Amino acid sequence: GNSVTQMEGPVTLSEEAFLTINCTYTATGYPSLFWYVQYPGEGLQLLLKATKADDKGSNKGFEATYRKETTSFHLEKGSVQVSDSAVYFCALRGYGNQFYFGTGTSLTVIP
Amino acid sequence: DTGVSQDPRHKITKRGQNVTFRCDPISEHNRLYWYRQTLGQGPEFLTYFQNEAQLEKSRLLSDRFSAERPKGSFSTLEIQRTEQGDSAMYLCASSSLRVAVYEQYFGPGTRLTVT
Repeated sequence: GNSVTQMEGPVTLSEEAFLTINCTYTATGYPSLFWYVQYPGEGLQLLLKATKADDKGSNKGFEATYRKETTSFHLEKGSVQVSDSAVYFCALRGYGNQFYFGTGTSLTVIP
Repeated sequence: DTGVSQDPRHKITKRGQNVTFRCDPISEHNRLYWYRQTLGQGPEFLTYFQNEAQLEKSRLLSDRFSAERPKGSFSTLEIQRTEQGDSAMYLCASSSLRVAVYEQYFGPGTRLTVT
């Protein structure tokens, strides 16, 4: 079956620190992979995507590379800001229109 | 474009009662999803509509749950004979057939508490 495993949080970083949030997946076939973000008081929104192996998704300074050999899609950012404080969800889309989300990782960036 | 709206935002009900939630997608969005999110977990897929047709439904979804999308506009999610385990945030999302399916716009959710 399809599933997503994310590193547990919460994660607390100082401003300008390097961020990595690990995500691995289990899927049949070749899923598309996503990171969604939920800022405080807001709904979930798509942050970045990768639809095939070796694709790199990027947005707002965040990056993630679709690694088929390690079934991973780790989220990275070189220098986090206070405004990046949010909950981050890794997700995959398998066959059809069903999306599978990880448990979410809460990030707090302190000045 | 006012975004996806959900009503009510909060619902408290007693075990055994029926509840109904409403989702209004972004205008002209053909696709509509329902998800359930419990504390500390990510959203769990419940069902998917394309226009008025319910095309996919989670195998984990109990028979007590039913969803409709008459006329392909707003959608309702009904839970019959609620149980304490139904306490969760119920999320609705919509997207357009003109863009990729993953470009979903999520609503603020309806938080259900079953006492």
